[in-house]
Amino acid sequence: GEQVEQRPPHLSVREGDSAIIICTYTDSATAYFSWYKQEAGAGLQLLMSVLSNVDRKEEQGLTVLLNKKDKRLSLNLTAAHPGDSAVYFCAVTVSRYNVLYFGSGTKLTVEP
Amino acid sequence: EAAVTQSPRNKVAVTGGKVTLSCNQTNNHNNMYWYRQDTGHGLRLIHYSYGAGSTEKGDIPDGYKASRPSQENFSLILELATPSQTSVYFCASGDAGDWGSAETLYFGSGTRLTVL
Repeated sequence: GEQVEQRPPHLSVREGDSAIIICTYTDSATAYFSWYKQEAGAGLQLLMSVLSNVDRKEEQGLTVLLNKKDKRLSLNLTAAHPGDSAVYFCAVTVSRYNVLYFGSGTKLTVEP
Repeated sequence: EAAVTQSPRNKVAVTGGKVTLSCNQTNNHNNMYWYRQDTGHGLRLIHYSYGAGSTEKGDIPDGYKASRPSQENFSLILELATPSQTSVYFCASGDAGDWGSAETLYFGSGTRLTVL
């Protein structure tokens, strides 16, 4: 089955800096890619989704890059602020009818 | 706003005891899921359901049962709880959305279960 690896497990940046989180996956048929954010004491919330026909998507200070050749997905928070401090998860699946496979999470801390 | 409510928020159980975790969604979503979250493992899928009366095994179903008596409710049952089942459990409902996107999951706030 699908294997998803996410790194780094912990990331600390200063306010205004960029933060980059990377996931790699194993199934070349994977077609749907999502990023979720989990704030302290809460469930996960969807940040952004992309399809496999998209290499780059930007939304509200977030950039998702997809490299299908290397089976790598990244999330870039540009100009991070303390409110971005949370745990971030990537999630992938081969089709919209299949279950999502989650990465192990990255705890991001943005220091003022 | 999509709403998924889990109960209880916290639970302490004894080894060998029966534990039932409840989940209610008001989104009218067909799909519902139970995950556990452990440090270093992220979210792992235990059971899921496509609708009332259906349950499917996820990646780590051993030691767990699930029940979906209605569209709104999805329970996770530990018949004989063990300390290895100490974890945070999340329920989610799924909205398949349009053809151009993956299913969006809406999560509850989690149940922290401690098995002594």
